[in-house]
Amino acid sequence: SQTIHQWPATLVQPVGSPLSLECTVEGTSNPNLYWYRQAAGRGLQLLFYSVGIGQISSEVPQNLSASRPQDRQFILSSKKLLLSDSGFYLCAWFAEDRGTEAFFGQGTRLTVV
Amino acid sequence: AQSVSQHNHHVILSEAASLELGCNYSYGGTVNLFWYVQYPGQHLQLLLKYFSGDPLVKGIKGFEAEFIKSKFSFNLRKPSVQWSDTAEYFCAVNARRDYKLSFGAGTTVTVRA
Repeated sequence: SQTIHQWPATLVQPVGSPLSLECTVEGTSNPNLYWYRQAAGRGLQLLFYSVGIGQISSEVPQNLSASRPQDRQFILSSKKLLLSDSGFYLCAWFAEDRGTEAFFGQGTRLTVV
Repeated sequence: AQSVSQHNHHVILSEAASLELGCNYSYGGTVNLFWYVQYPGQHLQLLLKYFSGDPLVKGIKGFEAEFIKSKFSFNLRKPSVQWSDTAEYFCAVNARRDYKLSFGAGTTVTVRA
């Protein structure tokens, strides 16, 4: 069965520092991968999604970027964090043609101080 | 652009009352539709999904949802709620062949005993 690993679970970073959140998927190939940010009252905001290696679609202009260096690896990055980047970040896998729901990682609670 | 609207931000009701949460989306093509629930302190859990076929979908815990294509809606219902249904509910829409999976802002449901 498919599994999503997301780390770290919590992270406290100073303003202006870089960020790298990693997500890896097991049990499937060529997955569609997604990064979301969950904030109170705003639901899950889609940040980036990728349908293949090196293919990144950005939904929200911001201080963040994403990369997909391998089929089952999806990375969320920032060169310089802002206070407003604080939040709960979720990685997800979804295969729209397989009749299943999206599967989520455990999430990363990022606090920028 | 694809978007998902959940009409109610916060719903408060008593046990045994009926629940209906609205969800509308803006996308002209074929869609896959989902309702997720997030209990306090827990991760997202799938309630039900619609991919094709009968537009009335039965989910877990007595929930159901009806897809009305002409209204671009996928409303969630439960005839009689319990205190344990207190949670945040998210509607999600996948525009087929577009690969995006977008979530609504969520509705917080509080059930009073």
